[in-house]
This record gives sequence, structure tokens and C-alpha cells, in this order.
Amino acid sequence: NAGVTQTPKFQVLKTGQSMTLQCAQDMNHNSMYWYRQDPGMGLRLIYYSASEGTTDKGEVPNGYNVSRLNKREFSLRLESAAPSQTSVYFCASSEALDRSVYYGYTFGSGTRLTVV
Amino acid sequence: AQSVTQLDSQVPVFEEAPVELRCNYSSSVSVYLFWYVQYPNQGLQLLLKYLSGSTLVKGINGFEAEFNKSQTSFHLRKPSVHISDTAEYFCAVSESTGYALNFGKGTSLLVTP
Repeated sequence: NAGVTQTPKFQVLKTGQSMTLQCAQDMNHNSMYWYRQDPGMGLRLIYYSASEGTTDKGEVPNGYNVSRLNKREFSLRLESAAPSQTSVYFCASSEALDRSVYYGYTFGSGTRLTVV
Repeated sequence: AQSVTQLDSQVPVFEEAPVELRCNYSSSVSVYLFWYVQYPNQGLQLLLKYLSGSTLVKGINGFEAEFNKSQTSFHLRKPSVHISDTAEYFCAVSESTGYALNFGKGTSLLVTP
């Protein structure tokens, strides 16, 4: 049982390049989330998907797009990477947005992205 | 909107000593509160949560937290820490079901021999 799998684990991009961070969960969870983690800033929500077919902006959505490809997969795309997007990105999932407080989130191990 | 403040960015402590990691929240309505732990190079794991009922909540690895509504706090405690408790600890809040968690900035706990 893998839980939440993120790929790649590490990536270096040049400014202006694009890339997609992949996330997949095998727990049949309905809701999925993307957070970024920066030193001294904690985790900040980028986008979330309450259920398949829906996505909503979080606290820091600018410069990102997301796709909920199916129930298992939730990808995060950087169209034109900027140094300010250097961060560690975490994907998480929960059974459902309105039940996430009861069962908690399951986090992936993160993608460390550097934009030079 | 709800928010959390973790009052200490770093807490150094000796092995077998007690520790308290402080968290205050701001919200005008009832909240759900959580503590997550992040070991080096890993994702976050749920330590414990307060939803309702008893204000003293016990979690994994010997940690506990107390919800104090009058002081809007949810401090995490452990009576005797181990080297393996070295990690980043995050307090998080949700105002109700149906909202994504809002995390604090984290407290780095460093346990030394």
C-alpha cells in the first residue's frame, strides 16, 4: 500500500521552463491537495480538489495550474517557472473534504524543486 | 478566517527532558485542531487531533495536547523526549468540516544527548 506517491522527488528548472508535478494516491480518497513548504513559512495551500472534477484555489495559487485527472491523480503545473517557486511541494489526500478533520490527511514525501 | 501561530521556531531540549511546543489559534467560531510531525526528508504524519469532547488529547509516540478555549491555545507536550523525536512539528486548524487545513509555520524540535 503506497499511500500518496509524488514524482519526481527532485527537480532543477531554469527560469521560464515549465513542468508538471505528479501525484497519485491508492487509498480511494476523494479529496486531494497541493501545498508548498518554505523555510519559516510553514505549509501554504496552493490548490485543492474536493472531489473528482472539481478544483479550487488555496492561499497561493498564482503561477500554478492543476488538473484532477481522475480520482487517483492530481497534478500541479508550473507554466513558466520563477525563482520564487523554489520550494518543497507536498501532495496530500483525504477521504473527503468534509470528513478530512475526522480521518486526517495522508501526505506524500515531497518534491524538492529548485528554479535557477 | 482561522489562523495559527506557533510561538517558537526552534526548541532545543536534552534527551529525557519534558517539552512543550506552543500553538495559539485565532477564530471566531468553533475549530478543529491538529498537530502533525515531519521527520527529516519525509512528508507529514498526524500526531493527534482535537475535534470535541475532552480537552486533553493523547496522540502517538507519547505526545499529548490540551485544548484551552479561553486562551485559544493547543500546546503539545511530552513528559520525556527521545532523540528520535527530533523533527518539525506543525499545528493546524480548520474552522469546520469542508475546509482545507491551515498550517502554522512549524517548530523545529532538536533533541540532544
